[in-house]
Amino acid sequence: DGGITQSPKYLFRKEGQNVTLSCEQNLNHDAMYWYRQDPGQGLRLIYYSQIVNDFQKGDIAEGYSVSREKKESFPLTVTSAQKNPTAFYLCAAGADMRDNEQFFGPGTRLTVL
Amino acid sequence: GDSVTQMEGPVTLSEEAFLTINCTYTATGYPSLFWYVQYPGEGLQLLLKATKADDKGSNKGFEATYRKETTSFHLEKGSVQVSDSAVYFCALKGSNDYKLSFGAGTTVTVRA
Repeated sequence: DGGITQSPKYLFRKEGQNVTLSCEQNLNHDAMYWYRQDPGQGLRLIYYSQIVNDFQKGDIAEGYSVSREKKESFPLTVTSAQKNPTAFYLCAAGADMRDNEQFFGPGTRLTVL
Repeated sequence: GDSVTQMEGPVTLSEEAFLTINCTYTATGYPSLFWYVQYPGEGLQLLLKATKADDKGSNKGFEATYRKETTSFHLEKGSVQVSDSAVYFCALKGSNDYKLSFGAGTTVTVRA
């Protein structure tokens, strides 16, 4: 079953803690993306990666970090520097940066207590 | 920069009603246009797309036509079902861009 998996589905964090969201894909796609979704707003790009060992900041990268050590994995760390981290986080993948279509995972809902 | 404006919701309809969700865009060049759908608690699924002017994307009874003269990509369905209840996002990708730019989303609820 090809696709993108994200874990966990729900995540609770205390203020001041870092937390890492997992994203794995078996589509063999080079490009991967992290978006943030807030109620009543569209998705905003946090980070993206064109290939292994390379990634770039998106529109709202402050307070987040990523790594891309393997083609199939693109974890996102929400650090304590992110002032308003409660949101729904979506990971996506595309064949390459020019590919028109992006495939999305089921998302992780992060709540800061 | 590129941007998408879509009709604000929420939209509530009865089953078998006609659905239209307006979407207009601002972009340089020739972007590709998309409609994504998000069911409750899930990620986004691509509903349909169009990559050049006058193309019509269609899927599951939904249609949208890429109108460059009006910079629009309105989503339509002739007869909605309860299962169409979801949030619909219009999005574009610039011809030399790496990311999708999304509209704010329109929540559609269909009542039996």
